[in-house]
Amino acid sequence: GQQVMQIPQYQHVQEGEDFTTYCNSSTTLSNIQWYKQRPGGHPVFLIQLVKSGEVKKQKRLTFQFGEAKKNSSLHITATQTTDVGTYFCAGPSFRGGSNYKLTFGKGTLLTVNP
Amino acid sequence: KAGVTQTPRYLIKTRGQQVTLSCSPISGHRSVSWYQQTPGQGLQFLFEYFSETQRNKGNFPGRFSGRQFSNSRSEMNVSTLELGDSALYLCASSLVPGTTYEQYFGPGTRLTVT
Repeated sequence: GQQVMQIPQYQHVQEGEDFTTYCNSSTTLSNIQWYKQRPGGHPVFLIQLVKSGEVKKQKRLTFQFGEAKKNSSLHITATQTTDVGTYFCAGPSFRGGSNYKLTFGKGTLLTVNP
Repeated sequence: KAGVTQTPRYLIKTRGQQVTLSCSPISGHRSVSWYQQTPGQGLQFLFEYFSETQRNKGNFPGRFSGRQFSNSRSEMNVSTLELGDSALYLCASSLVPGTTYEQYFGPGTRLTVT
């Protein structure tokens, strides 16, 4: 079945440093979503990318969807302590007709040293 | 607008028992999905309900079941609990089913099986 891999699994940075997490799918994705989960919290939707090569920005966060729609990245510029959490990518996997499920990567845990 | 609510928030059960978890979606949202989150396996899709019908199902044994009511509220049931069922169970709602709709997660139910 479809696999969604994320690297790195963990990333520790000093406040002010940049951070990037990568997401790779074994199959072409129609779209990809990114979520953030703070420690002790629940996943919160960040953004969705749909088009090949799409780039979207949210303040210090930059999201990219690869040309082949099999990979994506999230880059945070000048990290802050509020960026701490686990970042997940998620892509749909179809199993025929309208039968699908959203497959999440294992996530990248970001910790920030103030 | 109130967010997704889940009850109970914490639960301790013994092996062999059964448990029922409840989820109330955001008002107006008609699709409800359930996920199991564990440190080892990450976020795994259990099933999705829409219009009181199960639309999609993940790769979990038949001990895991669910249902949705006419007001879109959903319940999931786990029978004959095993130690490995200890996890955070998350419910997520979206307007309608579909891979392009962002999901709003509830705070989760932390289930511990002893």
